[in-house]
Amino acid sequence: EVQLVESGGGLVKPGGSLRLSCAASGFTFRTYSMNWVRQAPGKGLEWVSSISGNSGHIIYADSVKGRLTISRDNARNSLYLQMHSLRADDTATYYCARAGVPDSPDVFDIWGRGTMVTVSS
Amino acid sequence: SYEVTQPLSVSVALGQTARITCGGNNIGSKNVHWYQQKPGQAPVLVIYRDTNRPSGIPEGFSGSNSGNTATLTISRVQAGDEADYYCQVYDTSTTIVFGGGTKLTVL
Repeated sequence: EVQLVESGGGLVKPGGSLRLSCAASGFTFRTYSMNWVRQAPGKGLEWVSSISGNSGHIIYADSVKGRLTISRDNARNSLYLQMHSLRADDTATYYCARAGVPDSPDVFDIWGRGTMVTVSS
Repeated sequence: SYEVTQPLSVSVALGQTARITCGGNNIGSKNVHWYQQKPGQAPVLVIYRDTNRPSGIPEGFSGSNSGNTATLTISRVQAGDEADYYCQVYDTSTTIVFGGGTKLTVL
């Protein structure tokens, strides 16, 4: 079964750091671009970052540039999001999503269930 | 930066056809994708590249895209179709953009 499972969320103080993980299974992880998408409580979806299969192409939303870093370990079938200088408006559920449609790196065909990050003092 | 606009809510009677729009400047020149999200659940891809339905998505879901408006159409709406729906596009200036979402209510 194709599956993505996020972990690492929690409560963190403003200015703090957190590292999210996403464990992939059921598919050849290294051949797919991966993404982080977040959703603030009661709000819509916001794309955060994308990374290609070999990590050669990485892009970020302007709102997180310089503070969040995406990475992956293909040997461990894992995707990561390192978060620094966290702010209250980073509070959200963070979803890991696979770009699984050939020639369409912006189509997210598989999503995890998400992990909640709360930034509060 | 590129923006896409969705109505906050759409209501439709059971068994009728729902149409949810996604507006943007010359959006017809872009690929539009649609996601369904039910409360407490992760989003699910229902239409990609304007008109394509992933395997497992009912035939009642279809899409179109022309000019400044893309449309998700749900035929013969069921109670289980009640959800939030998001359009998504890629733009070179803002990369990946989601619409604000439309809450579909089935009456």
